[in-house]
Amino acid sequence: SQTIHQWPATLVQPVGSPLSLECTVEGTSNPNLYWYRQAAGRGLQLLFYSVGIGQISSEVPQNLSASRPQDRQFILSSKKLLLSDSGFYLCAWSWSMSSYEQYFGPGTRLTVT
Amino acid sequence: GNSVTQMEGPVTLSEEAFLTINCTYTATGYPSLFWYVQYPGEGLQLLLKATKADDKGSNKGFEATYRKETTSFHLEKGSVQVSDSAVYFCALLGIQGAQKLVFGQGTRLTINP
Repeated sequence: SQTIHQWPATLVQPVGSPLSLECTVEGTSNPNLYWYRQAAGRGLQLLFYSVGIGQISSEVPQNLSASRPQDRQFILSSKKLLLSDSGFYLCAWSWSMSSYEQYFGPGTRLTVT
Repeated sequence: GNSVTQMEGPVTLSEEAFLTINCTYTATGYPSLFWYVQYPGEGLQLLLKATKADDKGSNKGFEATYRKETTSFHLEKGSVQVSDSAVYFCALLGIQGAQKLVFGQGTRLTINP
């Protein structure tokens, strides 16, 4: 069976500090990978998606970036965090050739102080 | 573009009450439709899905019917429990382009004993 991991689970960082969130998927190969952000009291916003190693598409211009160094690893980064980067970050995967549902990780709660 | 609109929350009900959470969508063609649930502090889980008109998705006592004529996918449950307290997201997956889910803003449901 497939599983998706995210870490850390919670993170408190000062403004201007760097960020690295990691997501890994087990039990499948060549998945589509996604990063979402859920700001307090708001819905989900798609930030990035990837259909393969080194292939990243950005949905929203911001100070965040994403990378996919390995087939089942997806990393969300920032060089300098802003207060507005606070939120709940969710990683998800889907079958690459299917039009069906996405499977979400447990999420990382980021607080920028 | 594709969009999803959910009823405003929060929704508070007593245990064993009947639940309806409205969801309408705008999309080209026949998208797939989903309900996701997010329990406190966790990531999203797929609750149910429907991939074509008149399909009924069901799971854990929840049901939703894909209504093409009214572009709706309302979530219903006949008798809610305290454990159903969560945030519910309606979502669609379009038929064109990459597999990008479009989410509604979420509806927070609280069930009181």
